[in-house]
Amino acid sequence: DVKVTQSSRYLVKRTGEKVFLECVQDMDHENMFWYRQDPGLGLRLIYFSYDVKMKEKGDIPEGYSVSREKKERFSLILESASTNQTSMYLCASSLGLANQETQYFGPGTRLLVL
Amino acid sequence: GDSVTQMEGPVTLSEEAFLTINCTYTATGYPSLFWYVQYPGEGLQLLLKATKADDKGSNKGFEATYRKETTSFHLEKGSVQVSDSAVYFCALTGYSSASKIIFGSGTRLSIRP
Repeated sequence: DVKVTQSSRYLVKRTGEKVFLECVQDMDHENMFWYRQDPGLGLRLIYFSYDVKMKEKGDIPEGYSVSREKKERFSLILESASTNQTSMYLCASSLGLANQETQYFGPGTRLLVL
Repeated sequence: GDSVTQMEGPVTLSEEAFLTINCTYTATGYPSLFWYVQYPGEGLQLLLKATKADDKGSNKGFEATYRKETTSFHLEKGSVQVSDSAVYFCALTGYSSASKIIFGSGTRLSIRP
């Protein structure tokens, strides 16, 4: 069965802290994605990766960076957390880049920045 | 650019009622269309999809038909259950954004016993 896991379900951090969100998939998928989900805004793409060490900016990359050192793992980094980064963060993966591809999502990490 | 517009919620229905959640899209070319569902406390999961005009996607009693002439992909179910309570997202992937899914804002559905 398809599995995407995220390191934490809930996180509380302080303004200015460096925050790491980890995502692991066990499906040997090429592509991985990070989204944030906010009420009334749906999901917005932060970054995605189509191969190890490759990354591309999504729609809202400011204030974030990513790392993909291994195929199965994709990390989202908040260099200096701010209160406007309080949100639900969702990781997803897909097999390839064809536009019919289904994305498989993790359970999400709810981040609160104080 | 590509976009998805879906009806705002929340939507509250009684069990066994008929459900429609409207979704329209703007895209160049021929996008693929999806409905994802998010149950409480979980991530999103694919409910159904359609990849070309007039295709009908179906799953768990839900259906949606890809209507290119009206640029719509409305979600329907004939008889909803309490377990269908969730947030539903309409989405597309297009040739201009093949690696990205464009999501609607989501519609929260609550079913009363």
